[in-house]
Amino acid sequence: GEDVEQSLFLSVREGDSSVINCTYTDSSSTYLYWYKQEPGAGLQLLTYIFSNMDMKQDQRLTVLLNKKDKHLSLRIADTQTGDSAIYFCAPWVRDDKIIFGKGTRLHILP
Amino acid sequence: NAGVTQTPKFQVLKTGQSMTLQCAQDMNHNSMYWYRQDPGMGLRLIYYSASEGTTDKGEVPNGYNVSRLNKREFSLRLESAAPSQTSVYFCASSEGWGRPYEQYFGPGTRLTVT
Repeated sequence: GEDVEQSLFLSVREGDSSVINCTYTDSSSTYLYWYKQEPGAGLQLLTYIFSNMDMKQDQRLTVLLNKKDKHLSLRIADTQTGDSAIYFCAPWVRDDKIIFGKGTRLHILP
Repeated sequence: NAGVTQTPKFQVLKTGQSMTLQCAQDMNHNSMYWYRQDPGMGLRLIYYSASEGTTDKGEVPNGYNVSRLNKREFSLRLESAAPSQTSVYFCASSEGWGRPYEQYFGPGTRLTVT
């Protein structure tokens, strides 16, 4: 069945780069989303990549996609305290079904 | 423009009690969703409504019912609450169905069943 795997925690020093990794099983995923959840809030779409792209850059965010290995990563450059949140990898599988990973909690060290 | 609103924000129920979680969106979206979020489990889809007048089961529908009251509102009902339903519930909406439209989430309802 469909599955999305992410590590649950990541600690990064302020100013360093954060890399959050994700693997998924459904090769038919045409859009792959990253959602961000700040403490006590709902999820917000952070960025996304089409499956026919290898990389997408959006200011401090870089998304890399290895479709062959079904591996997605999100890199946040110059990590700030405001980046502290849970990040969900979420492939769009079919119709309007999105499979959410368990989320990676990003902790920023001073 | 409030986006997606949910009420209540917090609720404590005793086992066996019933309650309805309310959700409304003001973006004229066609599709609406209910998810639950449990620690270490990510988000799981409970029910969805692809368009006004239709509802369908998601991944974990047991113990829940839904009503798409109109295009704006989508409620989730727990008929006889159980401790296993302790969770954070999120409502979401999207422009449509069948294409990868962005889903917009409400702030969540934190439910505890004792």
